[in-house]
Amino acid sequence: GENVGLHLPTLSVQEGDNSIINCAYSNSASDYFIWYKQESGKGPQFIIDIRSNMDKRQGQRVTVLLNKTVKHLSLQIAATQPGDSAVYFCAKIGGGKLIFGQGTELSVKP
Amino acid sequence: GAVVSQHPSRVICKSGTSVKIECRSLDFQATTMFWYRQFPKKSLMLMATSNEGSKATYEQGVEKDKFLINHASLTLSTLTVTSAHPEDSSFYICSARDQGGGTEAFFGQGTRLTVV
Repeated sequence: GENVGLHLPTLSVQEGDNSIINCAYSNSASDYFIWYKQESGKGPQFIIDIRSNMDKRQGQRVTVLLNKTVKHLSLQIAATQPGDSAVYFCAKIGGGKLIFGQGTELSVKP
Repeated sequence: GAVVSQHPSRVICKSGTSVKIECRSLDFQATTMFWYRQFPKKSLMLMATSNEGSKATYEQGVEKDKFLINHASLTLSTLTVTSAHPEDSSFYICSARDQGGGTEAFFGQGTRLTVV
């Protein structure tokens, strides 16, 4: 079946450094991938998305890279701030459903 | 962006009682809403897809008689946890897709259910 998984459950970075959060996915007909941020006790918040006909997309301080050859997705956060501390999920649309990966907990050290 | 409101944000109930959670799309119409369950330090697990005016589609392993879903209008879906037990304690989250928009799904704030 469809599967979205993340390499690391936790990531700790120094404030001001760049963060890279990775996600791997299995064989999929999905053409749409999304990154969400979830703060403790809250629902997921949309960060950025990318379609499979693209390999890179940039937002404000965030960049998503898609490598379809190795089925890998990454989220890069530039100049990480304490407010970026949260759990980050990659997700994909599959069969009309939004399927989530495992999640990576990002901690930002001051 | 679009707003999805979920109510209540927290609820504590006694074993054996039922609890209803509401999910409303405030500024858009949603023919499809999704219900997720999330355990601590875990990802969101899709429970069911709620379709306006028709029966919900449940994921494998989710008891439809336990988790009743009603999507009576284009802006409201409800999840009722019937005869709740402590193992039903969890964080429940809904999301909705704008029928007139793209594929982006908007999420509610979540409901923390504690069954005692």
